[in-house]
Amino acid sequence: GENVEQHPSTLSVQEGDSAVIKCTYSDSASNYFPWYKQELGKRPQLIIDIRSNVGEKKDQRIAVTLNKTAKHFSLHITETQPEDSAVYFCAASSYFNKFYFGSGTKLNVKP
Amino acid sequence: DADVTQTPRNRITKTGKRIMLECSQTKGHDRMYWYRQDPGLGLRLIYYSFDVKDINKGEISDGYSVSRQAQAKFSLSLESAIPNQTALYFCATSVTNTNEQFFGPGTRLTVL
Repeated sequence: GENVEQHPSTLSVQEGDSAVIKCTYSDSASNYFPWYKQELGKRPQLIIDIRSNVGEKKDQRIAVTLNKTAKHFSLHITETQPEDSAVYFCAASSYFNKFYFGSGTKLNVKP
Repeated sequence: DADVTQTPRNRITKTGKRIMLECSQTKGHDRMYWYRQDPGLGLRLIYYSFDVKDINKGEISDGYSVSRQAQAKFSLSLESAIPNQTALYFCATSVTNTNEQFFGPGTRLTVL
């Protein structure tokens, strides 16, 4: 089955700096890569996703890049704000069937 | 608003007890999932169901069973709970051939 690895496990940045979280996957059949944000005590919520026919996608301060050859994808958050503090999970899926999640990155944005 | 709900939200039980966690959704989605979340391990898939007659094992199904009573209801059972099943459990739903999974609020289960 698929194996998704996520790094780093914790990330601390100063407000206004950028944050980058990286994930690798093992199954070349995976073609959909979502990112979820989980605030403390809350449920995970989708923040951005990318499909394998696209190399990059942006939504305001958030962007995701995908390198299919190297089997890795990354989440980029620019101009970080304290409300960006949360745990972020990457995931990989083949044709929207089973989703395999990374182990999570706890992002702390210091004011 | 259409939502995914889970009951109970918190449960403390003893080793060997049978426990059922329930998930209901008013989103009209056909697919439902049960995940377990442990610190440092992310979300791991226990079971998933693509429709009422379809049940599939996930990565960590041992010690768990499920029942899809209706399109809107998907229950997770621990037949004989053990302490290493202490975790946060999430139910999720999605629509066939679409992307986003919608999560319930979670059930925090403690097995003593």
